[in-house]
Amino acid sequence: DGGITQSPKYLFRKEGQNVTLSCEQNLNHDAMYWYRQDPGQGLRLIYYSQIVNDFQKGDIAEGYSVSREKKESFPLTVTSAQKNPTAFYLCASSMGRGEYSYEQYFGPGTRLTVT
Amino acid sequence: RKEVEQDPGPFNVPEGATVAFNCTYSNSASQSFFWYRQDCRKEPKLLMSVYSSGNEDGRFTAQLNRASQYISLLIRDSKLSDSATYLCVVSGMDSSYKLIFGSGTRLLVRP
Repeated sequence: DGGITQSPKYLFRKEGQNVTLSCEQNLNHDAMYWYRQDPGQGLRLIYYSQIVNDFQKGDIAEGYSVSREKKESFPLTVTSAQKNPTAFYLCASSMGRGEYSYEQYFGPGTRLTVT
Repeated sequence: RKEVEQDPGPFNVPEGATVAFNCTYSNSASQSFFWYRQDCRKEPKLLMSVYSSGNEDGRFTAQLNRASQYISLLIRDSKLSDSATYLCVVSGMDSSYKLIFGSGTRLLVRP
């Protein structure tokens, strides 16, 4: 089955620790995205990548880092510099070309709790 | 002003009712429009893409009014399973494939 996987589903960390969230897709999509969602709020874009080895900051990139070494993978690192890291993190992908280039499909998300 | 604005609701309707949500967007250059559905504590799922003036898929009808910069979603014959948050989504204004998400409208369908 084609889709997007994120792991783990729940993650607990102590303040001051860096943590890396995994995102893998087998949809052959060029573009991938990371969003953050806080309770009762909309999705906010952290980073996005339109092609391998290239990525751009979104609206709230401070305290986060990403890499895009493979088309299928777009891991997100939440660093200790992120002031309020506790949130629901969603990874998405889209074709990034052609008629359906904008349609984004989401993974199941990772709930990160930092104490 | 937010780039995409929605009434947060909740809309509380009985089963079988027809309910409509509206959404306004700020930039007239946006070209692609979507409705996503998000269940509690789950990921958003694409419900409908709105590429022209509107389209219909079963009980769901989406309409786009470019002149007034609003998009609507109509749900007919509401089911209990329609209870969710509906996100209005608009394409970004630059050459990237970014999307701008509204904060969502919550729908509760009661028996």
